[in-house]
Amino acid sequence: KNQVEQSPQSLIILEGKNCTLQCNYTVSPFSNLRWYKQDTGRGPVSLTIMTFSENTKSNGRYTATLDADTKQSSLHITASQLSDSASYICVVSPNTGGFKTIFGAGTRLFVKA
Amino acid sequence: SAVISQKPSRDICQRGTSLTIQCQVDSQVTMMFWYRQQPGQSLTLIATANQGSEATYESGFVIDKFPISRPNLTFSTLTVSNMSPEDSSIYLCSVSIGRGVADTQYFGPGTRLTVL
Repeated sequence: KNQVEQSPQSLIILEGKNCTLQCNYTVSPFSNLRWYKQDTGRGPVSLTIMTFSENTKSNGRYTATLDADTKQSSLHITASQLSDSASYICVVSPNTGGFKTIFGAGTRLFVKA
Repeated sequence: SAVISQKPSRDICQRGTSLTIQCQVDSQVTMMFWYRQQPGQSLTLIATANQGSEATYESGFVIDKFPISRPNLTFSTLTVSNMSPEDSSIYLCSVSIGRGVADTQYFGPGTRLTVL
């Protein structure tokens, strides 16, 4: 069964610190892997998208990495800000055509002053 | 990119009633998607809506409960019928822009539904 698992489930960090969120998946083969940020009460917003052949993708203070051999991805947030408090969702699209994207449960990040 | 708006943004409804959620996209798209996000959970695809044809529903979702309209390439509605408290969720409209492996999925702001 195709799955996407994220860890930790939640995380509390101090403003200015760095953090890394993990995503393990069993989807294979896959077309692309995306990280989304979802603020409370809002829809998810795309942060990064990586195809199966890419290893890293950056978007400002957000850097995503992908290891297709171990089926792992990480999202690194540098110099966290209070506005980074949100849920971060890992999403994998199987390479089977259609739009059967598989969503992780998300990591809830709290950035404290 | 795509800008998606939804109406209403939130609603509180009584058991047994129905609510229709509207989704408007600022560009023409072939497929629109409706998701449900229950409290503390990730997103679950309800159905895929193509313009001019019946929506395709995922396992566990049926047309009688979640009828969908797709009258044109920029608009869709999702109705939650005969609601019960278990239907309390955020309902999200989504579109996919781009081609192949680099397509990007955009989401609306969501409709937060509470059923009493």
